[in-house]
Amino acid sequence: NFMLTQPHSVSESPGKTVTISCTRSSGSIASNYVQWYQQRPGSAPTTVIYEDNQRPSGVPDRFSGSIDSSSNSASLTISGLKTEDEADYYCQSFDSISRWVFGGGTKLTVL
Amino acid sequence: EVQLVESGGGLVWPGGSLRLSCAASRFTFSTYSMNWVRQAPGKGLECVSYISSSSSAIYYADSVKGRFTISRDNAKNSLYLQMNRLRAEDTAVYYCARGTSYSSGSYGSYFDYWGQGTLVTVSS
Repeated sequence: NFMLTQPHSVSESPGKTVTISCTRSSGSIASNYVQWYQQRPGSAPTTVIYEDNQRPSGVPDRFSGSIDSSSNSASLTISGLKTEDEADYYCQSFDSISRWVFGGGTKLTVL
Repeated sequence: EVQLVESGGGLVWPGGSLRLSCAASRFTFSTYSMNWVRQAPGKGLECVSYISSSSSAIYYADSVKGRFTISRDNAKNSLYLQMNRLRAEDTAVYYCARGTSYSSGSYGSYFDYWGQGTLVTVSS
């Protein structure tokens, strides 16, 4: 079993760039893909990144994902921040034992 | 665009039962795995159950094993979750989520589309 740890909250100003980290507790971050879900207040989650760095159609290229084996973590980077990006963001990965593992979520405030 | 619409949530006494439904449309339901993911008030996401496209593989989180039963009817494009012996800690919004396998063929899947959710409240 492993856990995914995210910062509880981050904040940044409109137009700036923010990066949200997701650190895997055991096992390699590269051993299974990482997804990122956005959940705006009062709404269902939507997928913004899948398979580490792929964007679904309709997701702006301001959103990008990456993994870093040296820190055993994944990152979601949002550039050119807009107020509409204010939401909770969850990372998620998978393994044969734990199945679908979610991070605890990061609240992004754009102020 | 893919559409997933949950129903069946509500207020139920501890020990009671509820059956959630998810109506799927605008995609070939029978070719996708499906999942129920819940979110307790103010908390994070938890996948409680999975069912493969043909119902041949089923998974339950330890927290619901033995109490919840997932099923699907591919002819009706519908997913179900029968919840028995409900507890206060089952209180959550329950989302129906479509599963998609990784493009590389690697083992596993992720949730590419989500419904709007249905609230289940277990309380006396």
